[in-house]
Amino acid sequence: SAVISQKPSRDICQRGTSLTIQCQVDSQVTMMFWYRQQPGQSLTLIATANQGSEATYESGFVIDKFPISRPNLTFSTLTVSNMSPEDSSIYLCSVEEGGVMNTEAFFGQGTRLTVV
Amino acid sequence: LAKTTQPISMDSYEGQEVNITCSHNNIATNDYITWYQQFPSQGPRFIIQGYKTKVTNEVASLFIPADRKSSTLSLPRVSLSDTAVYYCLSSGNTGKLIFGQGTTLQVKP
Repeated sequence: SAVISQKPSRDICQRGTSLTIQCQVDSQVTMMFWYRQQPGQSLTLIATANQGSEATYESGFVIDKFPISRPNLTFSTLTVSNMSPEDSSIYLCSVEEGGVMNTEAFFGQGTRLTVV
Repeated sequence: LAKTTQPISMDSYEGQEVNITCSHNNIATNDYITWYQQFPSQGPRFIIQGYKTKVTNEVASLFIPADRKSSTLSLPRVSLSDTAVYYCLSSGNTGKLIFGQGTTLQVKP
């Protein structure tokens, strides 16, 4: 099973600034996923990060706001840019392992972001 | 739009069996049904996965009828530490997971 480390685990940031969240996996994976979980809500997929290509963003999320890097098969970063209080959420990194049809997702412990 | 529907919340007592049912009327042929558990301040954790009929592991059982339009997660003899949010997902091999609202299970002493 994959082990995922996220840094920082939490941060309090001023509005208008940016925060970069790091995600490190203990094995090589093709795809890494970034999710957002707003307070009291479920998880929402932000984007899929593929090594060697641009990230694929879900509806409602754009690269200018959430730039993603994927320099190698074990690491990715998500930046939350020009933050506002509405960006206060938990941001989670995820990878999947498994066969062609059945897969298991592994999540980092999340980064709790508070924007003031 | 989530592909699954499940009760928002459930209450139970220690030692009871808990069954959480999930609807996935539009499940695709290639989709598997997977359940995740999430504790506060942690990422979701895989519980069990199945395609059809019954699957059992050391934590739970998963019942899926022949039409696959629903599934039931069964937690035997719950304890206080099983208090968590439980998510039912149907997904294929794209890697993308669409989470619904989940079921908040509160286990009482």
